[in-house]
Order: sequence, then structure tokens, then C-alpha cells
Amino acid sequence: AQSVTQLGSHVSVSEGALVLLRCNYSSSVPPYLFWYVQYPNQGLQLLLKYTTGATLVKGINGFEAEFKKSETSFHLTKPSAHMSDAAEYFCAVSEGGTGRRALTFGSGTRLQVQP
Amino acid sequence: DAGVIQSPRHEVTEMGQEVTLRCKPISGHNSLFWYRQTMMRGLELLIYFNNNVPIDDSGMPEDRFSAKMPNASFSTLKIQPSEPRDSAVYFCASSLSDQETQYFGPGTRLLVL
Repeated sequence: AQSVTQLGSHVSVSEGALVLLRCNYSSSVPPYLFWYVQYPNQGLQLLLKYTTGATLVKGINGFEAEFKKSETSFHLTKPSAHMSDAAEYFCAVSEGGTGRRALTFGSGTRLQVQP
Repeated sequence: DAGVIQSPRHEVTEMGQEVTLRCKPISGHNSLFWYRQTMMRGLELLIYFNNNVPIDDSGMPEDRFSAKMPNASFSTLKIQPSEPRDSAVYFCASSLSDQETQYFGPGTRLLVL
């Protein structure tokens, strides 16, 4: 069984400030990890993913995340927030290798960017 | 390139009516997923198909829900009879079965009165 916990349902930052969205996962098998972004009334767009290899992964729009197995974490960061980053962000996990591909999502974090 | 296409985008119906949601996956993708998003339960998997065969339907709420994938380019999710608690946004996603990335459609916003 897999699960995802996102700490903080709402995060507010100032424009230009560091963005840090937290994600912890639980998985009985090696995981694949994802961050998706959802803008109002739209579908989900993949920001970045970790499958194997380098534990620091870079995604679109300047976001990156680091897979830390010892901490079972996959936190999302961006050095400098932009107004256009305001959205809801979802961390998700699936089974790695040839495992089950269905995604288990966290509850989401709504990011607000203040001018 | 066309992404995942869902129709209708919005649906308002009355309790007891049948509702059919449609999805066209990205051409060449052979895995298809249906998810539901609600305020109370967040995003949850309903069912997924691989090569048109249902692999995991453990998320389907009850017998009122059914999903089919008659061919590689089309899937339906049917609710009969619909109930107010079925109100949600229903997303379809597709991927290549040996790849991990799922691509999501824009969703169908369903309101059951």
C-alpha cells in the first residue's frame, strides 16, 4: 500500500521568496514520485518526477525536488516565487519498476503568492 | 498534438439520471486511468485499463459506477443512477504502459442535483 502526506494545505509566500512544499510518502516497494500542478478549473500538469538515478530532479518553471529515501520525502522547491506560481500542487506516488502505475495523491497544497 | 480529450466539460443532472462521461486518450497510449476529485476525498483512482483491459477497479465506489474501454481510443465512465454525492470533477489520464508519466485531461465537472 502507498500513501502521501502533504504538510500544509495552504502556503503563502511573497513574490521572490523561496517556495517549499513538503511531501512525505509511504511505500512498500521502491516508489516513483511526482509533483503535479493544477490551475483553477484545469487538469493536472506534470511538474517533475523521480524514477531512478539522480535524486535531485529539475522540472518545469524553475521547480526542483529531491528524493530522500532515508526521510521518505520528496519536497518541492523553487528559489524565487512568481505570481504565476499560484496554484494547487499535488504530490503523488506510484510503484516503481514494473509495479502498479496508478497514482496515489496527497491532499494538495494551495500556494498563494503575495505581491 | 492533441492531449487527452474529455467530454462533456460540464454536466448538470438530476438525481436518478444516468450520466456518461467520455474520454479519448492520447494516440498511441495504451494505459488509461479514471480519477475523481472531491473536496472531501481529494484525488482518488477509480479504475485503470491497460491495453483496453481493466486492471484495477478497486476504486469504483459501487455498482452504480461502470467503465468500459471498447477500443484503444475511447473510454466511458457511466453512473446509473446518479446521486448528489457523485458530484465531483472526473479526470481521465493516459500513458504508455511501460512509462510512468500520466497525462491528464481537463476533467468533467459533474453536478448532481
